[in-house]
Amino acid sequence: NAGVTQTPKFQVLKTGQSMTLQCAQDMNHNSMYWYRQDPGMGLRLIYYSASEGTTDKGEVPNGYNVSRLNKREFSLRLESAAPSQTSVYFCASKTSNGNNSPLHFGNGTRLTVT
Amino acid sequence: AQSVTQLGSHVSVSEGALVLLRCNYSSSVPPYLFWYVQYPNQGLQLLLKYTSAATLVKGINGFEAEFKKSETSFHLTKPSAHMSDAAEYFCAVSDRVSGTYKYIFGTGTRLKVLA
Repeated sequence: NAGVTQTPKFQVLKTGQSMTLQCAQDMNHNSMYWYRQDPGMGLRLIYYSASEGTTDKGEVPNGYNVSRLNKREFSLRLESAAPSQTSVYFCASKTSNGNNSPLHFGNGTRLTVT
Repeated sequence: AQSVTQLGSHVSVSEGALVLLRCNYSSSVPPYLFWYVQYPNQGLQLLLKYTSAATLVKGINGFEAEFKKSETSFHLTKPSAHMSDAAEYFCAVSDRVSGTYKYIFGTGTRLKVLA
């Protein structure tokens, strides 16, 4: 009963380095999301995938790219990390595009960019 | 676009006291509202959701929330706080943007429970 699994849990990058955050869900959910959480700002949507084969920008997409590899996996890539991308990143999924489907969250990736 | 406002970024209550966490939303149509809880170093977990079936919604761990359309509010309450309730709480609304439903989160309220 893993739910949403994110890897890695922690990461430290230097400015300009790249990395990919991995997310996988085993609940057969159609929609997947990437959020960042910063103190006092709640959760802000970076990118989402309403269904397999589609991706769209959220509120704060600059500096990020995503790939919906298959129905289970949705990765987030930082091509050239910046200190402003220091944050906690959460992947989430839900069953469908319906408006009352609850989100299921992973435990997050804590990223520090120096 | 819809939005949610959580009043009070930090709330402290004594163990056994009433918990009241405030959430106001902006919406022109019946909203779908949610409360989530986040324990340290974990992701968010669903506490409860409002989907227009009933104005008083009961959730897990003894929490409940009342939808008040006239006040555009969806405040979270619990009659008696436990130490284990210490966490951060997020109110969220589901909004349809360009044919896709997305969540809009409030900025969160950190609840501290005093012994």
